[in-house]
Amino acid sequence: DGGITQSPKYLFRKEGQNVTLSCEQNLNHDAMYWYRQDPGQGLRLIYYSQIVNDFQKGDIAEGYSVSREKKESFPLTVTSAQKNPTAFYLCASSSSGTGGLMGQPQHFGDGTRLSIL
Amino acid sequence: GQQVMQIPQYQHVQEGEDFTTYCNSSTTLSNIQWYKQRPGGHPVFLIQLVKSGEVKKQKRLTFQFGEAKKNSSLHITATQTTDVGTYFCAGPSGAGNNRKLIWGLGTSLAVNP
Repeated sequence: DGGITQSPKYLFRKEGQNVTLSCEQNLNHDAMYWYRQDPGQGLRLIYYSQIVNDFQKGDIAEGYSVSREKKESFPLTVTSAQKNPTAFYLCASSSSGTGGLMGQPQHFGDGTRLSIL
Repeated sequence: GQQVMQIPQYQHVQEGEDFTTYCNSSTTLSNIQWYKQRPGGHPVFLIQLVKSGEVKKQKRLTFQFGEAKKNSSLHITATQTTDVGTYFCAGPSGAGNNRKLIWGLGTSLAVNP
């Protein structure tokens, strides 16, 4: 079954600690995305990547970093510079199409809930 | 920048009543996408509308894309408790490397059995 796998499901961060959220997809999608969702809020884009070894900042990239060394993988690091990291983090991917790479429907993983200890 | 507004923010209905959520963009969209997020879950793609004035149905759900391609609606007939969740609309914005999906804030639907 093709899909997107995020791990861990729950994560706790200590003060001053960097943590990395994993996102793997076997859908052969070119584009991958990281979103942050706060309670009762919509989705805010952190970073996105259209191709291996390339990525762009989204609307709230400060305090986060990513890498895209493989097509299947797009890990997100929440650094100690992110002072309010408690949120639900969602990874998504999409294929290319006539609407353009970034305009295609997105498939989401189950998410990672990050909290501060 | 481009904005996508959704109304209402919340809707509480009795099971069997109809429900409609509206999505309005400040600019023309090449397509509009609708997603559903169950409580505690992740957004799931429902449908994409591309053509001006397009109407698509999925069982009790009817999706419309406005003639000007700046607004859209999702109508649920005879709601059921399984319809509970937050419904998001999203549309592409920008060009080239800056192209991305702009998301509405969602409409949360609660259904009383």
